[in-house]
Amino acid sequence: SQTIHQWPATLVQPVGSPLSLECTVEGTSNPNLYWYRQAAGRGLQLLFYSVGIGQISSEVPQNLSASRPQDRQFILSSKKLLLSDSGFYLCAWNGGPATGELFFGEGSRLTVL
Amino acid sequence: DQQVKQNSPSLSVQEGRISILNCDYTNSMFDYFLWYKKYPAEGPTFLISISSIKDKNEDGRFTVFLNKSAKHLSLHIVPSQPGDSAVYFCAASDRGSGNTGKLIFGQGTTLQVKP
Repeated sequence: SQTIHQWPATLVQPVGSPLSLECTVEGTSNPNLYWYRQAAGRGLQLLFYSVGIGQISSEVPQNLSASRPQDRQFILSSKKLLLSDSGFYLCAWNGGPATGELFFGEGSRLTVL
Repeated sequence: DQQVKQNSPSLSVQEGRISILNCDYTNSMFDYFLWYKKYPAEGPTFLISISSIKDKNEDGRFTVFLNKSAKHLSLHIVPSQPGDSAVYFCAASDRGSGNTGKLIFGQGTTLQVKP
């Protein structure tokens, strides 16, 4: 069966420090992968998506970047965190080409102080 | 530009009654709509969906209605149960724009079902 995992679950970082959130999908190949952020009162905002290794599309200008070094690995990074980067980050995959749904990981709570 | 809008941040209903959550969209290219349920500190889970070729889809206690001319959809939960208390997100996609599969979400509505 397919599963998606992301870590760490909780992170508290000072302003200006780097960030790395990792997401992996098991039990499938060539998934579409997504990073979303849930900020207070803002709903789920799509940050990046990837349809293949090395292919990254950015949806909003921001302080973050994404990379896909392997087929089932998706990484969210920042060189220097801002206070506004705080939020709940969610990785998702598309469940295969025939589905229209996205399946989400457990989420990572980032607090920037 | 908020393409998917949920204008009610919260809703409170009594157990056993109907819960109606609303969602509006602006992009006429959207052809697939979904509802997700989310508990605190967890990822959202898929609830129900509807294609733009239909105006209703039912799954147990959950029914989604789509009004394309009004660019409006709603989720009905009957009867509501305390375990339904969560944040509900409406989402939409344009499946004709390629294989990106990306979903655009609304801001969410927090549903509280009181015993």
